[in-house]
This record gives sequence, structure tokens and C-alpha cells, in this order.
Amino acid sequence: QSALTQPPSASGSPGQSVTISCTGTSSDVGGYNYVSWYQQHPGKAPKLMIYEVSKRPSGVPDRFSGSKSGNTASLTVSGLQAEDETDYYCASYAGSNNLVFGGGTKLTVL
Amino acid sequence: QLQLQESGPGLVKPSETLSLTCTVSGGSISSSDYYWGWIRQPPGKGLEWIGNVYYSGSTYYNPSLKSRVTISVDTSQNQFSLKLTSVTAADTAVYYCARRVFGVYYFDYWGQGALVTVSS
Repeated sequence: QSALTQPPSASGSPGQSVTISCTGTSSDVGGYNYVSWYQQHPGKAPKLMIYEVSKRPSGVPDRFSGSKSGNTASLTVSGLQAEDETDYYCASYAGSNNLVFGGGTKLTVL
Repeated sequence: QLQLQESGPGLVKPSETLSLTCTVSGGSISSSDYYWGWIRQPPGKGLEWIGNVYYSGSTYYNPSLKSRVTISVDTSQNQFSLKLTSVTAADTAVYYCARRVFGVYYFDYWGQGALVTVSS
């Protein structure tokens, strides 16, 4: 199984929206509705932001949303805030009880 | 509040075995509702799923690491463990333990991580 493909970087100005893509194959992203997104601040553990493509855990602001089309999933952060500047990782079920992560995207708030 | 804490040697020699333990507090590892997993992150790089264990002892491993990985559970101690054999410098990483809800495929609680360096 290969890592999911994410852009290395993304950016937006405060208050704007930014979308981060996560591209896989029909064997992972495209084949299951089990895409999740994690936020990771430097030196900290990842934090679950989105699960099952578009669901938000309790406590995650509704500025964060997820979607999927074919083999590509997306995380959209609306109303960008300075605290959103950090790394984001996608993950997907890949069949046979396997899980695969993306390479990560560094989000910069300009 | 569920908490997970990794522990183990921070330095391992090449060709030896990396061993880490995750202690779970604030919840029971014997619950049938959860899997318990290990994920690692080399310095400056992305996350890599290593494998999961169920309270019964059943396991699932990343195919790329399967030949070198063993994950086990000790319900009496509320702990689960990772062993990775024949390590090289490429296995240097922060190792995280985490909880996964049974039947779904995401990790909702994570430990703080433990840096393991492979070096002579």
C-alpha cells in the first residue's frame, strides 16, 4: 500500500477558506467512506478533526469540514485563524484491516 | 478522561529489537469496543500506521512491517506493547500509541509519543 498524496503546503489569509486535497486510489479513498483528518501541532500528538469523510468529533469547530469525490478527499478550513497554522494529515482504510496515511500538508495562515 | 502513555528505551542499537509499552488509564483495555494501535513518525516526516491489537490478542499489521512487528496486549496491566526486530536508522521515529473504535478506522485518542533513536 502506498501513502496517500497530499500537497506539501497550502496557505490562505485570515478569514478566508482553504482546501487541502488527499488523493488515493479505488482501493483506499475511493473504495470506502473511512477517510479521516488529523491536525498536528509541532511536538504534539495528532488530533482527530474529521472522521468517516465528513463527521466532526465533539469539540472540533464547524469551520472544519470534509468531503470526498472519487479517489480524492478534501479538508476545508473556513474562516482561517492563526491557530489553524500547522500540519494536517489524511488517512484512509485500505481494506484487509489496513490503514494508510497521507504525507501531510503544512497550512500557513498569511 | 482516557489517557495513553508510551514508555521504553529511547535509544536502540542497529539490528536489535525496539520495545515499547503503552499504558492505558481512565478506561479498560479489555473493552470489546476498541482496538489499540501503534503509529510512528520519522523526524520531519509523515505518519505511518504500524498495527493494531484487540483485547483478545488478535492483531493486524502494516504489510510493509509485518515480518518484523509484534503487538501484544496485557489486560491484567491495562497495557499493550510493540516489538520491532532488526531495526535500522530508518526506524528512528516518534512512536505513538492510540485507540481505535471497533468497526471504524480512525484513532480518537493518542499518547504523547516516544522518540526512539536507532544508533550505535
